[in-house]
Amino acid sequence: TQLLEQSPQFLSIQEGENLTVYCNSSSVFSSLQWYRQEPGEGPVLLVTVVTGGEVKKLKRLTFQFGDARKDSSLHITAAQPGDTGLYLCARTVGGTSYGKLTFGQGTILTVHP
Amino acid sequence: GAGVSQSPSNKVTEKGKDVELRCDPISGHTALYWYRQSLGQGLEFLIYFQGNSAPDKSGLPSDRFSAERTGGSVSTLTIQRTQQEDSAVYLCASSAPGRRKNSPLHFGNGTRLTVT
Repeated sequence: TQLLEQSPQFLSIQEGENLTVYCNSSSVFSSLQWYRQEPGEGPVLLVTVVTGGEVKKLKRLTFQFGDARKDSSLHITAAQPGDTGLYLCARTVGGTSYGKLTFGQGTILTVHP
Repeated sequence: GAGVSQSPSNKVTEKGKDVELRCDPISGHTALYWYRQSLGQGLEFLIYFQGNSAPDKSGLPSDRFSAERTGGSVSTLTIQRTQQEDSAVYLCASSAPGRRKNSPLHFGNGTRLTVT
């Protein structure tokens, strides 16, 4: 199966706290993308990870790709209200060379001031 | 702006009516995609265009759904005889030329379709 499981589904925290969102699959994927979506807008790509064990940082966001390329995590340090949104992981459907993506169900993050 | 533009932003229609949703991709982007986002199903792939042809229509839920693209630019998604289960946000995305698997998708803000 190429399903992606995200956890937690909901996260409500106070400004300044740290958090981690997880994305897991039972099958290996060649790359994984993380998106953030705000209400009324489309998803915006944050990062693509392609190498097992890879770690990428985007300001206060740290993305990690598992060594076995079956899981990924997004860690936010000192969350701010502007981080509020829906976080989605996505993978390219196997055998395709274009942007046909399978998405996880998403994590709704709310950061309270 | 230079982003993907979708219209209308909201559409309310009665069950059984036909609707047309429009997407203007980023200029020069040869690949265009339609996705659907609903509460129960999350984000689902519908169809992929490369230029004016659609080599992958595998995500279209039924024959009530069709899409076309003209001039390698604007695309229209048509839903005939709408049903309540068609209610969702329909998102269009485009990506730059090239066949790299990781060419980023640029999404529009979607059309929220409500079938009453």
